[in-house]
Amino acid sequence: EADIYQTPRYLVIGTGKKITLECSQTMGHDKMYWYQQDPGMELHLIHYSYGVNSTEKGDLSSESTVSRIRTEHFPLTLESARPSHTSQYLCASSPGSPWDQPQHFGDGTRLSIL
Amino acid sequence: QQPVQSPQAVILREGEDAVINCSSSKALYSVHWYRQKHGEAPVFLMILLKGGEQKGHEKISASFNEKKQQSSLYLTASQLSYSGTYFCGTEISLYNTDKLIFGTGTRLQVFP
Repeated sequence: EADIYQTPRYLVIGTGKKITLECSQTMGHDKMYWYQQDPGMELHLIHYSYGVNSTEKGDLSSESTVSRIRTEHFPLTLESARPSHTSQYLCASSPGSPWDQPQHFGDGTRLSIL
Repeated sequence: QQPVQSPQAVILREGEDAVINCSSSKALYSVHWYRQKHGEAPVFLMILLKGGEQKGHEKISASFNEKKQQSSLYLTASQLSYSGTYFCGTEISLYNTDKLIFGTGTRLQVFP
């Protein structure tokens, strides 16, 4: 059973607020990922990290930012939320090696910006 | 660049079989398969690495044809628990980045 946790599970908040979505894993995984997924649609990679102090933008452009100060923690921040940010955000992690390990997903944060 | 999955949706009765395809326009180095139930996190099913291999997992198996740049997921004697949306995730990088591009998804519904 994967141990990756996301908080909050649901968030409804007004436009212009600063938001931080939390993601923590207890498996010691080097690689972590953030995906954005609209209901019933595919997953789009928005950020990823190969380890501490390593962050890269994914294939889908996002106004969010991430940080990786500790191996287990990979928070995502929106400085000023807008209705277009309404979506589900999924965090995932995988071991650094060997190559091609499964990604373990958290339960996601459903974000709704009013 | 996003892999295309077909069909988009499948409706089955318990015990029936299904095949889900994942096709890429880019050369593939590996293919991951995940199943996501409504309101839940995607759950890993299997990984196939380049080399044209086939893998099995109970009544769920998959093949990977790197020449055709596609993978197929085979669900045999389907059970109610197989319902959900299936995604393939493809690794197209030569440098083993473990950065996956997920497919368009196939929604599978199994009825009694």
